Amino acid sequence: DGGITQSPKYLFRKEGQNVTLSCEQNLNHDAMYWYRQDPGQGLRLIYYSQIVNDFQKGDIAEGYSVSREKKESFPLTVTSAQKNPTAFYLCASSGREGQAYEQYFGPGTRLTVT
Amino acid sequence: QQQVKQSPQSLIVQKGGISIINCAYENTAFDYFPWYQQFPGKGPALLIAIRPDVSEKKEGRFTISFNKSAKQFSLHIMDSQPGDSATYFCAASTGSDYKLSFGAGTTVTVRA
Repeated sequence: DGGITQSPKYLFRKEGQNVTLSCEQNLNHDAMYWYRQDPGQGLRLIYYSQIVNDFQKGDIAEGYSVSREKKESFPLTVTSAQKNPTAFYLCASSGREGQAYEQYFGPGTRLTVT
Repeated sequence: QQQVKQSPQSLIVQKGGISIINCAYENTAFDYFPWYQQFPGKGPALLIAIRPDVSEKKEGRFTISFNKSAKQFSLHIMDSQPGDSATYFCAASTGSDYKLSFGAGTTVTVRA
C-alpha cells in the first residue's frame, strides 16, 4: 500500500527543545517537501528536496533544518530558534517524468510547543 | 506575500447547490494549477488540476474554469453534498522547480 507516512500524529514539546518530525514515502518519488499550515494562511513551504543529498530553502526556512540521506525519508527538525513553532506540519512528495507537478501529502503532524 | 489570492474565505451552500471558489495569480510563469481538498486534521488531497492550454476541465461534480488573459481560475462544485464540506485550496506551480504556491483556503459548508 503506497503512500506517505508522518509520525507522530501529535507532538508536544517544551520551549527551547529541538524536535524532529518524521516523513517516509514508498512511492519512489524523487522530490519531497515540508509545509507548515496555520489557520487562515494556507500552506507555506519550509524546505524541499528534489534529489537525495540535496535540498533548498522554501519561503519560511528560518528555525528549521532538514536532511535527505535516503530517497524515502525527509525528516524535519524544528529548532529552538523557530519563534512560533506550534503548527500543523505537512510532508509531501512528487514524482518525475510527467508527474513532477503532482504533490501528494501525508496525514500531518500537529506540533504544540509550550 | 501570497502569489495566489483565493476568495471567498468561507461559504455556505445548500445541498444540491453550486459552490464557486475563485483564485487569481500574477506570475505568468505558472503553468500548473491544482486544487486540493482538506478535511479537518487530515492532509490535503489532490482533487483536480488544469494547465493553461485548456479553459475548462471537469471531473465528476468538480469543474475548473481557467481564464489565462485574466490570470484567474475557479473551482465549481456542482450538486454540492454534505460530504463536500471541507477546506479547498488552489495552488500554482512552474516547471522550473515544481514548488507549489497555495492560496489561503476556502472553507465550504454544505447544509443538508
